[in-house]
Amino acid sequence: EAGVAQSPRYKIIEKRQSVAFWCNPISGHATLYWYQQILGQGPKLLIQFQNNGVVDDSQLPKDRFSAERLKGVDSTLKIQPAKLEDSAVYLCASSLRLQGETQYFGPGTRLLVL
Amino acid sequence: AQSVTQPDIHITVSEGASLELRCNYSYGATPYLFWYVQSPGQGLQLLLKYFSGDTLVQGIKGFEAEFKRSQSSFNLRKPSVHWSDAAEYFCAVGAHGGSQGNLIFGKGTKLSVKP
Repeated sequence: EAGVAQSPRYKIIEKRQSVAFWCNPISGHATLYWYQQILGQGPKLLIQFQNNGVVDDSQLPKDRFSAERLKGVDSTLKIQPAKLEDSAVYLCASSLRLQGETQYFGPGTRLLVL
Repeated sequence: AQSVTQPDIHITVSEGASLELRCNYSYGATPYLFWYVQSPGQGLQLLLKYFSGDTLVQGIKGFEAEFKRSQSSFNLRKPSVHWSDAAEYFCAVGAHGGSQGNLIFGKGTKLSVKP
């Protein structure tokens, strides 16, 4: 079974530029999560989708971050414009359903904002 | 509010020695509890999870964890550490009930293994 795929693996941009990350979850997984992991911290949830609907985006900085999962499969997370403090690893995870299910994580995208 | 505390930022053990990583959580009801491991440049891999039932949970790679409700703890243990266990370990709590499945993670414990 293929795992969660993410691209790109690394990205370096300058502040105020825009960037997009892509995630393809495990086949059949209805729930998709985006986490932000700042160096020295545990992952923090940004947004979670159930199929193509948003379940929780309470911690997403909506003035600069956006995410979509149009067909209920793969997802894109965008930052526009980026700030220095957005430097982090962005992890995508998926699970079969919502509560209590094991979340399977992708390798992450490491973003450096200069 | 839910929270997870991993008191040890960095632990060093000798290869072959036993290991215990501490995790304390704050949650108003019985939580779902997880331990994940993250190797450098990699995503998180699930080691084990507790949902209900037997409070001693066995996981992959020889790890186990014990849920102690009275102490709000879910410590991870391994009887004999291998050099390949060097990584960062994250404890996480998830909620029973409701419609959300997000996990709250601790800040992690980095494990170094001495030859």
